Amino acid sequence: IAGITQAPTSQILAAGRRMTLRCTQDMRHNAMYWYRQDLGLGLRLIHYSNTAGTTGKGEVPDGYSVSRANTDDFPLTLASAVPSQTSVYFCASSDSGGGNEQFFGPGTRLTVL
Amino acid sequence: GQNIDQPTEMTATEGAIVQINCTYQTSGFNGLFWYQQHAGEAPTFLSYNVLDGLEEKGRFSSFLSRSKGYSYLLLKELQMKDSASYLCAVLDSNYQLIWGAGTKLIIKP
Repeated sequence: IAGITQAPTSQILAAGRRMTLRCTQDMRHNAMYWYRQDLGLGLRLIHYSNTAGTTGKGEVPDGYSVSRANTDDFPLTLASAVPSQTSVYFCASSDSGGGNEQFFGPGTRLTVL
Repeated sequence: GQNIDQPTEMTATEGAIVQINCTYQTSGFNGLFWYQQHAGEAPTFLSYNVLDGLEEKGRFSSFLSRSKGYSYLLLKELQMKDSASYLCAVLDSNYQLIWGAGTKLIIKP
C-alpha cells in the first residue's frame, strides 16, 4: 500500500450497532487524525494522535473512541451508532503536528438508520 | 469562538482568473492552509502560509495578511479540472486545524 487507506469505503448501519472504521498509513507519520465532513460544514476533528500510544479529543469527540497501538493504525469506533453520526469520515496523517501538511485517506461514507 | 469564513460558491470561465477569499478569527495562529477537494474525493494540499505575503506555485498563488485575518487563493488560467471545492484551514494555538466550510468553484467553458 502507498499512502493512507481506509475501510470500509461505505457502510449502512442500524442505530445502536457498534462499528469500527479502519485507517492505515505506511508513511511512518507520527500524527494521525479523524475528521467528519457534513454538507455545509467544514471538516470537524473528532480525535487525534500525536504519536503512537497517545490520543486526544478534538472538537466533536462524543460517541467516538480511538486507539493508537502502533504508528501505522488508527481505528475509530462508534460504540452505539446514532443517526446524527451519518457522515463522511476522513482519516489523515502528517509527519508531525504543527505546520506540516496532512495527507487524507479516501474516506468512509457511513449511513446510520 | 473560532470562525473561518469563505464564500459558499463561485463561478468562473475557463482561461480566466479567480480569487477565493478566506477570513478567520481563531484562538492563536500558527499558519493557514488551502486544500482542494474534488467531489467525492479526499482533500489534497495546495499551500501553506505562515508569514505575510504572496506564495506562488505554478497557476496557484496564496496570500496572507495576519493583521487583517485574511487570506486568498488565486487561480490563474483556469481549466475545467479546477472545478472543485477549495478549503481554507487555520492552525490554532493548540496546533489543531480549524476548517472553513469550503468554496465550491464552478468552471464554465
